[in-house]
Amino acid sequence: AQSVTQLGSHVSVSEGALVLLRCNYSSSVPPYLFWYVQYPNQGLQLLLKYTSAATLVKGINGFEAEFKKSETSFHLTKPSAHMSDAAEYFCAVTFDRGSQGNLIFGKGTKLSVKP
Amino acid sequence: KAGVTQTPRYLIKTRGQQVTLSCSPISGHRSVSWYQQTPGQGLQFLFEYFSETQRNKGNFPGRFSGRQFSNSRSEMNVSTLELGDSALYLCASSFLGKQFFGPGTRLTVL
Repeated sequence: AQSVTQLGSHVSVSEGALVLLRCNYSSSVPPYLFWYVQYPNQGLQLLLKYTSAATLVKGINGFEAEFKKSETSFHLTKPSAHMSDAAEYFCAVTFDRGSQGNLIFGKGTKLSVKP
Repeated sequence: KAGVTQTPRYLIKTRGQQVTLSCSPISGHRSVSWYQQTPGQGLQFLFEYFSETQRNKGNFPGRFSGRQFSNSRSEMNVSTLELGDSALYLCASSFLGKQFFGPGTRLTVL
């Protein structure tokens, strides 16, 4: 079955440190890949989307992700964490190239940023 | 442009009742998807509508249903509520392959 796995339900970094959130998918066909962020009591906000145009995708708020087909990974990174980055992050995939409206989400990773 | 709006934001029901949630997509967006978010199961896809037709459906029982109107607004209905239906229900509207989420409706079943 097609699925997406996020390694680490909680990640803690210091302010100014590198943020690395891991995401792996299982499929023989490269899917469309997304990263979303959710702040407490809010909906999800799209950070970035991979559509096969480029393996390195830049998103909002200084985040970027690299698609590695050989590793079936799409890890999210940010060079320097800010306190405002504390939130829950979700990796999502869809294999439906037609609609792209039915996403499969990972379990999420809560990011804490220490001062 | 206004974002995706969902009403009501909070809802409390008792077991056995039914509930209807509403979602207004971003103007011009014709695709609306619904998701259920719970601490145990995470985010799960319920269904997707496009131009008043259900285009995809997730793995939920028939108690969960939805519809979309000609103005792209969508409703989802849950009949015979169970305690396990307590969740945050998120609606998203899509354009050019990007989904934009609303703030959600928090449903509590007592």
